[in-house]
Amino acid sequence: AQTVTQSQPEMSVQEAETVTLSCTYDTSENNYYLFWYKQPPSRQMILVIRQEAYKQQNATENRFSVNFQKAAKSFSLKISDSQLGDTAMYFCAFLPMSTSYGKLTFGQGTILTVHP
Amino acid sequence: EPEVTQTPSHQVTQMGQEVILRCVPISNHLYFYWYRQILGQKVEFLVSFYNNEISEKSEIFDDQFSVERPDGSNFTLKIRSTKLEDSAMYFCASSEQGLGVNTEAFFGQGTRLTVV
Repeated sequence: AQTVTQSQPEMSVQEAETVTLSCTYDTSENNYYLFWYKQPPSRQMILVIRQEAYKQQNATENRFSVNFQKAAKSFSLKISDSQLGDTAMYFCAFLPMSTSYGKLTFGQGTILTVHP
Repeated sequence: EPEVTQTPSHQVTQMGQEVILRCVPISNHLYFYWYRQILGQKVEFLVSFYNNEISEKSEIFDDQFSVERPDGSNFTLKIRSTKLEDSAMYFCASSEQGLGVNTEAFFGQGTRLTVV
């Protein structure tokens, strides 16, 4: 079984600054995917970024990037040039490659507030 | 942009009553999922559904739960005899293929179920 831990229940950042959200996980799987989802106050979860465990290169999507440390089982999300629209709950999630049936394992979530 | 639609947004039901939560996945998607989030807790996988049958289910998804795709557009979650601990936000999701490197799960806005 997999576990995902987000140790920061809440974070805040000033607009235009950079913030990093932490995520650690535990698994015996060797091949898997990791995701960051954003859940704005409207409650619809949106995929922000994904990482394949077999790739050493960290994924990047515009202002969002990850720091993936496979040996340490760490997967942090960095948001650069934070915007007010980034205010949301952020979930880290894990999916083993051994299943394609959508059994994502989520962390507890981190509430991010971007202040003007 | 296509999206997953859930109805109702909020449902209040009495303990012991049956409830049906409805979802309209994105039209060309083939994989369907239900997740739930008890207030203050993690998002938890309930079930995945493909080709008119359950692909995988969690230990939460006991005999009180069932899923159905009654027609070509709806995907429903039924709870036969609701308990207080079923109170949660229920999220429906769908994907074009099984989740993986090139496939993303699209989530609905959720139905908040309150059992009184």
